[in-house]
Amino acid sequence: SQQGEEDPQALSIQEGENATMNCSYKTSINNLQWYRQNSGRGLVHLILIRSNEREKHSGRLRVTLDTSKKSSSLLITASRAADTASYFCATVGNTPLVFGKGTRLSVIA
Amino acid sequence: NAGVTQTPKFRVLKTGQSMTLLCAQDMNHEYMYWYRQDPGMGLRLIHYSVGEGTTAKGEVPDGYNVSRLKKQNFLLGLESAAPSQTSVYFCASRDWSGGVSVYNEQFFGPGTRLTVL
Repeated sequence: SQQGEEDPQALSIQEGENATMNCSYKTSINNLQWYRQNSGRGLVHLILIRSNEREKHSGRLRVTLDTSKKSSSLLITASRAADTASYFCATVGNTPLVFGKGTRLSVIA
Repeated sequence: NAGVTQTPKFRVLKTGQSMTLLCAQDMNHEYMYWYRQDPGMGLRLIHYSVGEGTTAKGEVPDGYNVSRLKKQNFLLGLESAAPSQTSVYFCASRDWSGGVSVYNEQFFGPGTRLTVL
């Protein structure tokens, strides 16, 4: 069964705006990863945050992790049309990566 | 450095036919994975391998078999295809992390779109 659940399922914003996606999970984790999938392509790793970290930055990406609430958020600042894609969180516990169903982000130019 | 490649890119089968999907990686990764992705769903793990000659079942293994005879290749077989196996199949690999609590990123192939009629 899929552990990570992203919210919202779909998000549409204007270019230049910030996009925030959330991920909730059920069991304890070692780390949590975010991936991007462009239409018809494979997944690309964006960022990894370990269970003992609370926040991590990579370029325009900011990820937070709250293990007490079993949730994570991905913030994309100053969005671009090229950011249009599906975004998945994946949790790592005692089993291999378990993916959520994803958030479909549309950035309108 | 090609990364992770998958063969074929597209395939149409009739119910009951068999086929093998090939995944190859040139990064000398220990771990390899097969996932399927259905519309509106995330990826579900079919089988995985933690090293040459080893395989293990994932979340949805029924109807599939795998083999890892060479470190760089991971084969996914469908012995008797069913319409429920219509999906996009992704292969992924990752390096050995050096510890149970360290799990680094996975690298994905471009996918194989399979239709079973």
